[in-house]
Amino acid sequence: GQNIDQPTEMTATEGAIVQINCTYQTSGFNGLFWYQQHAGEAPTFLSYNVLDGLEEKGRFSSFLSRSKGYSYLLLKELQMKDSASYLCAVKDTDKLIFGTGTRLQVFP
Amino acid sequence: DSGVTQTPKHLITATGQRVTLRCSPRSGDLSVYWYQQSLDQGLQFLIQYYNGEERAKGNILERFSAQQFPDLHSELNLSSLELGDSALYFCASRGGVDTEAFFGQGTRLTVV
Repeated sequence: GQNIDQPTEMTATEGAIVQINCTYQTSGFNGLFWYQQHAGEAPTFLSYNVLDGLEEKGRFSSFLSRSKGYSYLLLKELQMKDSASYLCAVKDTDKLIFGTGTRLQVFP
Repeated sequence: DSGVTQTPKHLITATGQRVTLRCSPRSGDLSVYWYQQSLDQGLQFLIQYYNGEERAKGNILERFSAQQFPDLHSELNLSSLELGDSALYFCASRGGVDTEAFFGQGTRLTVV
């Protein structure tokens, strides 16, 4: 079976740092993606991890531990425009399976 | 602009009807994925095609079918529509093995 868990909602303050966790149990694993989705819009790619460790990309970083079935997305220096849903997705052989997403609200 | 084109953008139809959603992937991308996203829900994986062949299937209803044509565009056919089929339907395409999927802007289907 496949199970990808993320918190449903999070809130944070502008300028702060927030960490969004994702745990997964899938029959196969070929990489993990993070996407950002504003309401009613298409998801857009943020990061990709296939090996354990941290990948940094500007204000966004993503971490993967394959042995623990765990990833997190770290957002630094939060801006109001970062208010969106953040989707964790696992590539399981040919499938790309998404979690339900974490809705992040950034307050001034 | 992701390079993935979906048409139509909006579709309103009655229960019991049949509709076809179309997706043109990014130039050169062989993989096409279809997803359904109901209001405030996650992306539900429906089906994936690779170079014209069905590669993986998710929770796709028997009333739904898809295909990928020789020019690599794909169509998702939804029949005997029910109110619960109202959702955003996204298509995504991928190039190589370790590349991300790029999403189209989606088709918003409303069944009345």
